[in-house]
Amino acid sequence: GAVVSQHPSRVICKSGTSVKIECRSLDFQATTMFWYRQFPKKSLMLMATSNEGSKATYEQGVEKDKFLINHASLTLSTLTVTSAHPEDSSFYICSAQSSGSSYNEQFFGPGTRLTVL
Amino acid sequence: ILNVEQSPQSLHVQEGDSTNFTCSFPSSNFYALHWYRWETAKSPEALFVMTLNGDEKKKGRISATLNTKEGYSYLYIKGSQPEDSATYLCAFIRFGSARQLTFGSGTQLTVLP
Repeated sequence: GAVVSQHPSRVICKSGTSVKIECRSLDFQATTMFWYRQFPKKSLMLMATSNEGSKATYEQGVEKDKFLINHASLTLSTLTVTSAHPEDSSFYICSAQSSGSSYNEQFFGPGTRLTVL
Repeated sequence: ILNVEQSPQSLHVQEGDSTNFTCSFPSSNFYALHWYRWETAKSPEALFVMTLNGDEKKKGRISATLNTKEGYSYLYIKGSQPEDSATYLCAFIRFGSARQLTFGSGTQLTVLP
């Protein structure tokens, strides 16, 4: 149980294009989903928290117009990197949490490697 | 900014060796500490959720301890096997932080056959 999928696992795009990453909870309802970014040799940094049916809460320094997050259902959240530039190249990973989670236990997807040329 | 530090950054051990690594975190406003095991190209897998000072948890050959007063947790692996090779992450949750995990940068373990 508690499986989270993420798609695509890897994407290469040209500068200026938009990229959508999907995060799905496969066997539970995720009332809250989190999006993280990882720079090389650094820890996972929280970008934003999304609750189903409401606007995402972004961390300081994360541009909400650049990183659009939608959590339209209890099993799906999407992150769209708009007008991507090379500096957006990174590893993005989502996690999902149910309303009954114990001590904020989160279940992670496998991540998406974004390369912007 | 919360400081969650893991050491060492990387570690190579021989098969059969036992090993341990450290996660240090702020000692105030503690809520919980999570340990994850992250193999390349896979999802991070939850190992332990530590909540009480003095907690000791065990899963097979892996165990963890928690000291919230001094702000550290140890992860131990007994008799390491090549399949234990992974990055081990800890994540700290501060009381009142709205479910947010603050991660350390991980310890990358390689077990040599």
